[in-house]
Amino acid sequence: DAGVIQSPRHEVTEMGQEVTLRCKPISGHDYLFWYRQTMMRGLELLIYFNNNVPIDDSGMPEDRFSAKMPNASFSTLKIQPSEPRDSAVYFCASSPRGHEQFFGPGTRLTVL
Amino acid sequence: QQPVQSPQAVILREGEDAVINCSSSKALYSVHWYRQKHGEAPVFLMILLKGGEQKGHDKISASFNEKKQQSSLYLTASQLSYSGTYFCGTVNISSGSARQLTFGSGTQLTVLP
Repeated sequence: DAGVIQSPRHEVTEMGQEVTLRCKPISGHDYLFWYRQTMMRGLELLIYFNNNVPIDDSGMPEDRFSAKMPNASFSTLKIQPSEPRDSAVYFCASSPRGHEQFFGPGTRLTVL
Repeated sequence: QQPVQSPQAVILREGEDAVINCSSSKALYSVHWYRQKHGEAPVFLMILLKGGEQKGHDKISASFNEKKQQSSLYLTASQLSYSGTYFCGTVNISSGSARQLTFGSGTQLTVLP
């Protein structure tokens, strides 16, 4: 299996621009998680889906962030408009039953 | 609320043992352990779902004390490959979501030859 695939691996953008991060989970996994990792705040859960349905989005920082999962093999995390404080590594993880999670390689986002 | 990990960092020689602790102020449903190497993604090590449960993974094992709301990760006869940052993640009984993981700030483990 190819594992969780994320794209792009690196993204540099300017403040105010829209950013879209993409994730392809492991086939057959029913759960998908989006995390953000920074030195200051550590690893934070943003939102997770079960069978393509958002279950808990309490970690989404504000309305500028949105996530979708249109089908079992694809999810997006969108930031519009982006701000410098959004700079972080964003991880997508998938899980067969929601417990053991398999993380993708991450997207390193830099907002100038 | 974020679980508290201790120590923040530990350096040991190959073959030595280490213990990493994780404690929470809230009643726990489960404790998860992950290891992250620099520049890489976290990798799942184990999950403990019941109080008093112990699990093992090669020479890495963990315990979960439900009453004390804490877990410990034991690394025995450490190898160079054990180096990395270890995170505990907890799910609170009160969270309402059995998959809502809150991670600690991590323990940086360095194994020297």
